[in-house]
Amino acid sequence: GAVVSQHPSWVICKSGTSVKIECRSLDFQATTMFWYRQFPKQSLMLMATSNEGSKATYEQGVEKDKFLINHASLTLSTLTVTSAHPEDSSFYICSAPVASSGGYTQYFGPGTRLTVL
Amino acid sequence: GENVEQHPSTLSVQEGDSAVIKCTYSDSASNYFPWYKQELGKGPQLIIDIRSNVGEKKDQRIAVTLNKTAKHFSLHITETQPEDSAVYFCAASTGGGSYIPTFGRGTSLIVHP
Repeated sequence: GAVVSQHPSWVICKSGTSVKIECRSLDFQATTMFWYRQFPKQSLMLMATSNEGSKATYEQGVEKDKFLINHASLTLSTLTVTSAHPEDSSFYICSAPVASSGGYTQYFGPGTRLTVL
Repeated sequence: GENVEQHPSTLSVQEGDSAVIKCTYSDSASNYFPWYKQELGKGPQLIIDIRSNVGEKKDQRIAVTLNKTAKHFSLHITETQPEDSAVYFCAASTGGGSYIPTFGRGTSLIVHP
């Protein structure tokens, strides 16, 4: 199956600082990637769709100036949490679709645990 | 939009028993139904999927059934093992180029040795 990696796997930062999370497709190209946020014991919440070479599309209620997304190449998307605060602490997961018979299959990265002190 | 309901939220079984997780969806246009397993602290891992032109699919101890008329699909795990303990998510998505799945709330499966 397709492999998606994320870096870092966990990060602790002070309130007010910015944190960058990388998402890479290792063995395929991804013109589109997705960023999710997951709170403890809850389902995945789609934050935004990252498009290579163009602006990201944000879901309703997600602050685009807070969560900056850049999709600079066909294998890399980055999510930057700007001026992080404790309420931004969460598990962030990226995914990428891979074409398969009849449609697409989403493959997820291992996730990044962000803790803001 | 699509709405996916998943039950139960928690499922506790003894090792060797079977486990069944059920999901219903609302959008009759949905035609792709993946199941993901998420272990603590990790990202979701695709374990099996089914498309609307198939009623059942099996992969070793895991099987998925789909009833398009009733708009529900189920995950069946036989001969459960402690390493099957995890949160399982069902999802549904439509075709026509849209591949963003709508997820269920998840089922926490606990397999007791």
